[in-house]
Amino acid sequence: ELKVEQNPLFLSMQEGKNYTIYCNYSTTSDRLYWYRQDPGKSLESLFVLLSNGAVKQEGRLMASLDTKARLSTLHITAAVHDLSATYFCAVDLSTSGTYKYIFGTGTRLKVLA
Amino acid sequence: ETGVTQSPTHLIKTRGQQVTLRCSSQSGHNTVSWYQQALGQGPQFIFQYYREEENGRGNFPPRFSGLQFPNYSSELNVNALELDDSALYLCASSLRGEDTQYFGPGTRLTVL
Repeated sequence: ELKVEQNPLFLSMQEGKNYTIYCNYSTTSDRLYWYRQDPGKSLESLFVLLSNGAVKQEGRLMASLDTKARLSTLHITAAVHDLSATYFCAVDLSTSGTYKYIFGTGTRLKVLA
Repeated sequence: ETGVTQSPTHLIKTRGQQVTLRCSSQSGHNTVSWYQQALGQGPQFIFQYYREEENGRGNFPPRFSGLQFPNYSSELNVNALELDDSALYLCASSLRGEDTQYFGPGTRLTVL
């Protein structure tokens, strides 16, 4: 069964602290995406990771991909309240021109002032 | 450049009815994907359309169907609505061969 699991599901952290969200997936893929979703809103693309060892950084967020371990991480540095949102990873499992895309379970992040 | 738009914003239907949701792609995008997001869960892939043909489908029954038009806009049709169809329906457009999808604001469907 194809699974994309995120850990933790809920995260409450103090401003200024660091933390990492993990995304594990159960089948081979070298294309992984991170999205942010604010309550009642749509999805905002954060990172596109397209190869083993890929690392992308934007502001206080850094994402990496290890295709051999089937693991991606989203690291938060010195969290601020504005980062409070739900974060999803998604794996592209498209083959032979047929598209298939699976989202993770989501991590709800709350940054406390 | 116009972003992805969806209509309507909200919709209330009763069980057994049919519904059509609409999506206009971002300018220049030729691929549209549809997702269902139940409350508190991650989006689930329904299907993708490229050049007016279905190009991949998730685990959704045939009563979920779609269309893509020559101008790349798209419709999602759901027949025989069930209570569990209540969700936020998101469409996303992209340019074939590029990796970033751009999501619309969504249509929230409530089935009573």
